[in-house]
Amino acid sequence: GIQVEQSPPDLILQEGANSTLRCNFSDSVNNLQWFHQNPWGQLINLFYIPSGTKQNGRLSATTVATERYSLLYISSSQTTDSGVYFCAVQETSGSRLTFGEGTQLTVNP
Amino acid sequence: KAGVTQTPRYLIKTRGQQVTLSCSPISGHRSVSWYQQTPGQGLQFLFEYFSETQRNKGNFPGRFSGRQFSNSRSEMNVSTLELGDSALYLCASSFTPGGRETQYFGPGTRLLVL
Repeated sequence: GIQVEQSPPDLILQEGANSTLRCNFSDSVNNLQWFHQNPWGQLINLFYIPSGTKQNGRLSATTVATERYSLLYISSSQTTDSGVYFCAVQETSGSRLTFGEGTQLTVNP
Repeated sequence: KAGVTQTPRYLIKTRGQQVTLSCSPISGHRSVSWYQQTPGQGLQFLFEYFSETQRNKGNFPGRFSGRQFSNSRSEMNVSTLELGDSALYLCASSFTPGGRETQYFGPGTRLLVL
């Protein structure tokens, strides 16, 4: 099956700093989503981005499908950005999402 | 538009018991998928239902089963619970399986097996 690798596994920032999270995947995908898991466990959709670039406020994402990677940018980080960020992909031949192991982000005041 | 709902939110069971979890997808969505999240294994796919039919199944033992009703609501059942079944169970909904669309997740059911 498809492999998904996220880096870094852990990231500690001071409030106001910028960060880049990376997701590499091993095969062509139909779907790529970025999620933020809140402290109660719910996966909050950030982006549906199988290719191209999108922006939503302080967050933006870019997926280069031909090179099989995606980047999530967080600018001017806030303490509320803390949590685990997951990248999940859906292979072209199936419908299940395969998740990376996540990036644990801690933003200190 | 209401989001994906899951009930119950928290559950405590003992080994050997069985449990049923429920997921109601977003109105109009007909595909429901289930995932298990544990600290050791991360997020793993359990199964997917569309139009009351199981379309896809992950690598879990037969103790894990599910079904989908005509209104697209889905249930998953775990029989003969083991300690290792303690996990957060998440369901996701979308219009169609395998479609190029966003999948939306519910808040999860946190199961503790004692």
